[in-house]
Amino acid sequence: DSGVTQTPKHLITATGQRVTLRCSPRSGDLSVYWYQQSLDQGLQFLIQYYNGEERAKGNILERFSAQQFPDLHSELNLSSLELGDSALYFCASSARTDRVTPYEQYFGPGTRLTVT
Amino acid sequence: AQKITQTQPGMFVQEKEAVTLDCTYDTSDPSYGLFWYKQPSSGEMIFLIYQGSYDQQNATEGRYSLNFQKARKSANLVISASQLGDSAMYFCAMREGAGSARQLTFGSGTQLTVLP
Repeated sequence: DSGVTQTPKHLITATGQRVTLRCSPRSGDLSVYWYQQSLDQGLQFLIQYYNGEERAKGNILERFSAQQFPDLHSELNLSSLELGDSALYFCASSARTDRVTPYEQYFGPGTRLTVT
Repeated sequence: AQKITQTQPGMFVQEKEAVTLDCTYDTSDPSYGLFWYKQPSSGEMIFLIYQGSYDQQNATEGRYSLNFQKARKSANLVISASQLGDSAMYFCAMREGAGSARQLTFGSGTQLTVLP
């Protein structure tokens, strides 16, 4: 158990819909990352938040958005869903304040999104 | 150009033998970190080992070791005494730049099968 939790585990929805994926980082971790794993694109970085602020953006579509709340949990919002958005979405966290060299990123179990 | 290259889509190894999974990387940043993750069929991403660009010694974690050859830009994972439970997809990843709170770039992965 990495200590990172993600809900829901599975999500099946129709094209054009909007969904929200939720992530709770490990206790004390300030950084949250979202990654998408699909068969054709592999594992891709989407977006990072650090202590509530957006830190970096990767290949994130304009239809997707995210935020990190004061309690450090994060949500990834996917709207106007298309078939190609079907993927495994991972959240990862890192950067504990109480560690000298906080370098690992620990991944949650993922949310498997199926768009039909 | 690919930042992380894993040239072995699939590998087979006999139980109790050692196996090397290849990874080459490309970066012009002098400060970077290299990671290996394991993804079993259940889907979760498990952190295995980390090597920093300034680390003088190769990283080791139990049966895992990282053969870091900086001049050749390679960071191969060596698994000693393979076990059936090692059968999984293995990903090499890189974090570029100083500071730990940065996103990872992943390779395409190597599917390892351990034979009894």
